[in-house]
Parts: sequence; structure tokens; C-alpha cells
Amino acid sequence: QVHLVQSGAEVKKPGSSVKVSCKASGGGFSTHVTSWIRQAPGQGFEWMGEITPIFRTTNSPQKFQGRLTITADESTSTAYMELGRLTSDDTAVYYCARGAASGSWNWDSWGQGTLVTVSS
Amino acid sequence: DIQLTQSPFSLSASVGDRVTITCQASQGIATYLNWYQHRPGKAPKLLISGESTLDAGFPSRFSGSGSGTNFTFTISSLQPEDVATYYCQHFARFPPTFGPGTTVDF
Repeated sequence: QVHLVQSGAEVKKPGSSVKVSCKASGGGFSTHVTSWIRQAPGQGFEWMGEITPIFRTTNSPQKFQGRLTITADESTSTAYMELGRLTSDDTAVYYCARGAASGSWNWDSWGQGTLVTVSS
Repeated sequence: DIQLTQSPFSLSASVGDRVTITCQASQGIATYLNWYQHRPGKAPKLLISGESTLDAGFPSRFSGSGSGTNFTFTISSLQPEDVATYYCQHFARFPPTFGPGTTVDF
């Protein structure tokens, strides 16, 4: 299995942006889909979007379009999630996760999570 | 989007008990359903995927069944290390969504 290591916790002001990184080791970064999933305090999980690095294609639900940017650097096997126009509702733990061989939405490898706190 | 509901919201059980959690989808999803285990402060772990395939590393006391809109997750004999929140998640169509979770403790 791949090992995913995310960047550290962030504290942001409302209206600003945050960029979280996810470095993969163990191979297969370019050809596997990496997703971003978040969990707000006391809430369930919410899938935010995904990237297939080798094709540089991304997908995300309508609610995040316009303020979410997912990118990947194949040279460093690192995926990035940048979320703009932050509000307090974006306070959450953000995870990157890689799809299993059985399907890109079967996440068998997860990063350790990055806490993003949005507060004035 | 497909909505997933789980019941119960939480449960308390004893070591050795049989624990059952249900997950209901708002529309048919065949067997495109996963179950995850999530311990506080840790990353979630994929437990069961698709047609009841148990992920390597998990013991056989965990099982899943169901198709269409109704699914069941079972721990046949609860162990102390099974204390966690369990989530169902569908991958039938865009976007994938999660159930609200069921917390299992003693």
C-alpha cells in the first residue's frame, strides 16, 4: 500500500485560502486517483474532489467548484488541495486518500489528516 | 446525490456481543457500498468493499451484506479494539457519499 503524508495544521482567516499537500510514497502515484475528503467537527465525511495525475484531470461536486483547486506534481509524487474564500464552515480535518485497485472511490490508503481552522 | 442513512446512531455493547449496523441508500446502488472503521485521531480504514470483500488485515468477525438499498454490517463477536465509528459509503455514481456513522463503544 501507498503511504500518504500530509502537511501540518493551519489556522486561517475568513475569506483567505488554504493549501494542503499530500506526499505519496510506495509507487503508483501518477496512475492512481487521489481524492480529498473532509470531516467537520462532529460531522461525517464529505468527498471534495479528485485528481488523476497522469491525465491532470480533476472532478469535484458543484458545491466546491469555483473555490477548490486540486493539483498534482508527479516529480515529487505530491497532490495539493487549495480551498479559497474560507468560512467557518470550512473548519475541518482534511484528508487525502488514494483509490484502491478495485476502484478509485474505494479508499484503502489515507493521509493522517490536516486540521484547518478558520477563525477571525 | 445519493443519501445514505445509518442506524443506530450509536450503540453500547459488551465484549463478545454480536453487533449489527444498517445502512440504507436513497436509491438503488447494487453492491457498490464500502464500510470504513474510524478511530478518533486516526485515519479511516477501509474495512469492507463492494460485494462484501473484507480488506486484508481485518479479522473474519467483520462482515457485510446487502444490495440495492439495504445493507448490513456485522461484528460477530465484539472485541475491545473494535471501539470506533463505522461509516458506510457508496461508490455507485458521482458523487460518492458517506453515511452519518455509527459509534460503537462499551
